[in-house]
Amino acid sequence: KAGVTQTPRYLIKTRGQQVTLSCSPISGHRSVSWYQQTPGQGLQFLFEYFSETQRNKGNFPGRFSGRQFSNSRSEMNVSTLELGDSALYLCASSALQQETQYFGPGTRLLVL
Amino acid sequence: AQSVSQHNHHVILSEAASLELGCNYSYGGTVNLFWYVQYPGQHLQLLLKYFSGDPLVKGIKGFEAEFIKSKFSFNLRKPSVQWSDTAEYFCAVTSNTNAGKSTFGDGTTLTVKP
Repeated sequence: KAGVTQTPRYLIKTRGQQVTLSCSPISGHRSVSWYQQTPGQGLQFLFEYFSETQRNKGNFPGRFSGRQFSNSRSEMNVSTLELGDSALYLCASSALQQETQYFGPGTRLLVL
Repeated sequence: AQSVSQHNHHVILSEAASLELGCNYSYGGTVNLFWYVQYPGQHLQLLLKYFSGDPLVKGIKGFEAEFIKSKFSFNLRKPSVQWSDTAEYFCAVTSNTNAGKSTFGDGTTLTVKP
């Protein structure tokens, strides 16, 4: 099976812009979670979707949002970008909500 | 709220030395425990996991971890490290009440000198 794929892999934006990141889970996986990884804060949970419903949400401002489509693909949107949003955004999928999560390569976002 | 604490931020070892990375978690309910590895320039990979059963779990590349419920610990071990084990290691926990949400420790950077 193909692994979790994320697009784009790299992105440069300026403050105030918005960005949409995409994640395609492993075939058959219905749970998709998003994480932000930064040197200072480590890996922090953003949100999790299961069957198109947001099931869990982390402690991020409302500028961070997501959605999941009927084919389990997920998108994450960040509006009004700030310098501090520069990070590696990781997507993970799992077959059932309590099973092992498999991570994608991430999208590296740089906000200038 | 669940939390994970990794005791060592940076560990430096020589090849063939033994490794033990500490991980403690804070959560009152049933947990699933994981160790992930992130090699330079690569994505997170699962080393091993514990859901239930034998508290000593074996993973890939000769790694193992022991779940000690009374100590809320899940320490990672390897008897003899190799230069190729140089990477960042993350301990993570999920719970049945927060399915799909992993809480990660801050990570431990392991440098193995040839």
